[in-house]
Amino acid sequence: GDSVTQMEGPVTLSEEAFLTINCTYTATGYPSLFWYVQYPGEGLQLLLKATKADDKGSNKGFEATYRKETTSFHLEKGSVQVSDSAVYFCALGSSGSARQLTFGSGTQLTVLP
Amino acid sequence: SQTIHQWPATLVQPVGSPLSLECTVEGTSNPNLYWYRQAAGRGLQLLFYSVGIGQISSEVPQNLSASRPQDRQFILSSKKLLLSDSGFYLCAWSVQNEAFFGQGTRLTVV
Repeated sequence: GDSVTQMEGPVTLSEEAFLTINCTYTATGYPSLFWYVQYPGEGLQLLLKATKADDKGSNKGFEATYRKETTSFHLEKGSVQVSDSAVYFCALGSSGSARQLTFGSGTQLTVLP
Repeated sequence: SQTIHQWPATLVQPVGSPLSLECTVEGTSNPNLYWYRQAAGRGLQLLFYSVGIGQISSEVPQNLSASRPQDRQFILSSKKLLLSDSGFYLCAWSVQNEAFFGQGTRLTVV
């Protein structure tokens, strides 16, 4: 079945540092890939997505590229801010399945001033 | 626009008491609906999903049940809560693989 493997946290960075959170997946067919963000005490919000190979999703300075050859969708940001502190979830969506979304285990990011 | 309402935001319940968490969606019809649980320091665990009224699929055996009495209403229930039921419960709906989440319910069983 579908699965998502996500870099384990927690990750602690200083403000303006470069961020990478690794995500790899296993799926049949051609899934869509997502990154969700969860701020403390809140539900999840979609951060960015990519629906086909080589697509790059981007939002709020974050980027991730759908790499079919390496089955990866790594999240990157060139300069993190304290306000980026949150839990980040990689997810996979398979249109052929009613379950639709499979989530990674989440990565806690803390950015220090 | 579509919105999702989930309540209550926080809940403290004694062991052995019943539970009912409600989730409603506005602005869409026949959505796929989901209940997730997020235990402290852990990722998301899919508990139930529903593709239509009265259609419930359970992902893991547990002390909880779900019902969908109306197209845009999804209810999570338990007859007798356990300490291990504590966690953060999230309702979500999806269309074309993209999920939209409620604000969550923090349940503490004491």
